[in-house]
Amino acid sequence: KAGVTQTPRYLIKTRGQQVTLSCSPISGHRSVSWYQQTPGQGLQFLFEYFSETQRNKGNFPGRFSGRQFSNSRSEMNVSTLELGDSALYLCASSLLSNAEAFFGQGTRLTVV
Amino acid sequence: AQTVTQSQPEMSVQEAETVTLSCTYDTSESDYYLFWYKQPPSRQMILVIRQEAYKQQNATENRFSVNFQKAAKSFSLKISDSQLGDAAMYFCAYRSAGDDKIIFGKGTRLHILP
Repeated sequence: KAGVTQTPRYLIKTRGQQVTLSCSPISGHRSVSWYQQTPGQGLQFLFEYFSETQRNKGNFPGRFSGRQFSNSRSEMNVSTLELGDSALYLCASSLLSNAEAFFGQGTRLTVV
Repeated sequence: AQTVTQSQPEMSVQEAETVTLSCTYDTSESDYYLFWYKQPPSRQMILVIRQEAYKQQNATENRFSVNFQKAAKSFSLKISDSQLGDAAMYFCAYRSAGDDKIIFGKGTRLHILP
């Protein structure tokens, strides 16, 4: 059974640009969550989607948005990139909300 | 708001020895889950062990076990017979039964000395 797949693995963007990250959950999993990991702030919850609906959102500005498609794949978008957005972005999927979460290997975003 | 605290930023243990990683949490809820995740240099977050708050029995997974003290809001991880492959960042995490998000501690970097 394939795990959670995140693409791309690495990204370098310039301040002011926008970026889209992709996450393919484990087959059958309907819940997808996104986390930002930085050395200073640690792991912080961004948002969670279940059956194409955003069910929960963390404390991030509106520049961070996401969506989930009917096949449960999810995308995360960050607009008007800032240097502080440089981080590892992790996606996690679970069979049901509240079930065990399985993580992908993350996308390392560097903003220059 | 719930918080998770790991007071040991870094620890070292000799190979084959036993090490305990500490974690405390704060919540006003009675129904929740606690986890220990391992993040090796590959960055893949791997679930090590899970504990349901309503279960009094401490969870065990092979060489990994927890000491769950609900009243004290403490959730430590014991690694027995430490192996070189155990070297990683370990995160203690909390998830409310009524919520989707996982709240992570800052992590403990574990070094295994050969």
